Amino acid sequence: EDQVTQSPEALRLQEGESSSLNCSYTVSGLRGLFWYRQDPGKGPEFLFTLYSAGEEKEKERLKATLTKKESFLHITAPKPEDSATYLCAVQAVGAGGSYIPTFGRGTSLIVHP
Amino acid sequence: DTEVTQTPKHLVMGMTNKKSLKCEQHMGHRAMYWYKQKAKKPPELMFVYSYEKLSINESVPSRFSPECPNSSLLNLHLHALQPEDSALYLCASSQEFRGNTEAFFGQGTRLTVV
Repeated sequence: EDQVTQSPEALRLQEGESSSLNCSYTVSGLRGLFWYRQDPGKGPEFLFTLYSAGEEKEKERLKATLTKKESFLHITAPKPEDSATYLCAVQAVGAGGSYIPTFGRGTSLIVHP
Repeated sequence: DTEVTQTPKHLVMGMTNKKSLKCEQHMGHRAMYWYKQKAKKPPELMFVYSYEKLSINESVPSRFSPECPNSSLLNLHLHALQPEDSALYLCASSQEFRGNTEAFFGQGTRLTVV
């Protein structure tokens, strides 16, 4: 069974204190790994798609990287407005050729001023 | 434009009511999705439409009835819901269902069943 595990479950940082969120996965036939940001009561906001090991993508203070077993979301010098839940989703070819993405449980990030 | 629009934003309904959730996208995406999300849990897939045909039904109770009138619109008809159906209902779309493309989500409808 495909598994996606995110850690830590919750993370508190001081403004400017860089850190990384982890998304580890056990799937066969990875087709894509997606990072989303979700604010309370809102829909997930797409951040990045990664397709192959070694790939990296950046957007403002965020950088996502991918290996064969995990992805990291690095947050450099975070600001309070970066506080949100960060979701990782993995897409693999499933039974019957389906492409249903599997979501992790998310990391709740709070950045204190 | 990567916008998926959902209406209404909030809905309170009784267990005997019939209501509908609506979703619209104008990105030319051919796959559309309904997800259900409970507090502090990840989104849980309910239905997938691909090219306006229902492709996936994740064993959702019949009190939830999806409809895809055209390639831009997706509805979720609700009837005889239970209080445990209270959740954030999310619509999403992607270019293709069997492609390696990201899904874009709407802001959700917060549903409360009383």
